[in-house]
Amino acid sequence: SQQGEEDPQALSIQEGENATMNCSYKTSINNLQWYRQNSGRGLVHLILIRSNEREKHSGRLRVTLDTSKKSSSLLITASRAADTASYFCAATSGGGADGLTFGKGTHLIIQP
Amino acid sequence: DSGVTQTPKHLITATGQRVTLRCSPRSGDLSVYWYQQSLDQGLQFLIQYYNGEERAKGNILERFSAQQFPDLHSELNLSSLELGDSALYFCASSVGRIETQYFGPGTRLLVL
Repeated sequence: SQQGEEDPQALSIQEGENATMNCSYKTSINNLQWYRQNSGRGLVHLILIRSNEREKHSGRLRVTLDTSKKSSSLLITASRAADTASYFCAATSGGGADGLTFGKGTHLIIQP
Repeated sequence: DSGVTQTPKHLITATGQRVTLRCSPRSGDLSVYWYQQSLDQGLQFLIQYYNGEERAKGNILERFSAQQFPDLHSELNLSSLELGDSALYFCASSVGRIETQYFGPGTRLLVL
């Protein structure tokens, strides 16, 4: 079963606007990670937030985590055309299993 | 560049054949993970090795096997290949457990 479920599935915005993607998960987690993937290429790690953290920033990225609602959000501010990509959340749930469980991703298109 | 290398980049083979995918983790990383990405299944965790030992199994088929060598590089062996095995295969590495996983560029496998 999928641990992370991103919402929306696709998002199209104008360059310069902010983009928000949401992720929901089912079981308790150790940490949650966000990745970016450009069209069929490798996954680029964006940010990791641990279960005892509520918010984290990295450049134009802001990630929040609400463990009570089992949800996370990724905010990209002042979007650029180069941000066009698919974004995935992924989580490890512990219990000896360290492999990441990914959602289907949000496809973000930044219109110039 | 994540520091994780994978060879080959592309592989075209026929049904029934066997292939080996190779991964070199980032310097110092002890954990190696293998993932499969296909259009219908999305990104799925296959297997994890930690310092030479199998750590966790995900959705790995019995026809697939992996190992991690003393120098920490890893190989994923896929045998009796079927059309449905066509996918992107990613290797990722991390320093330890429950840490950021850095992904390689992937091997694109096409089974004809």
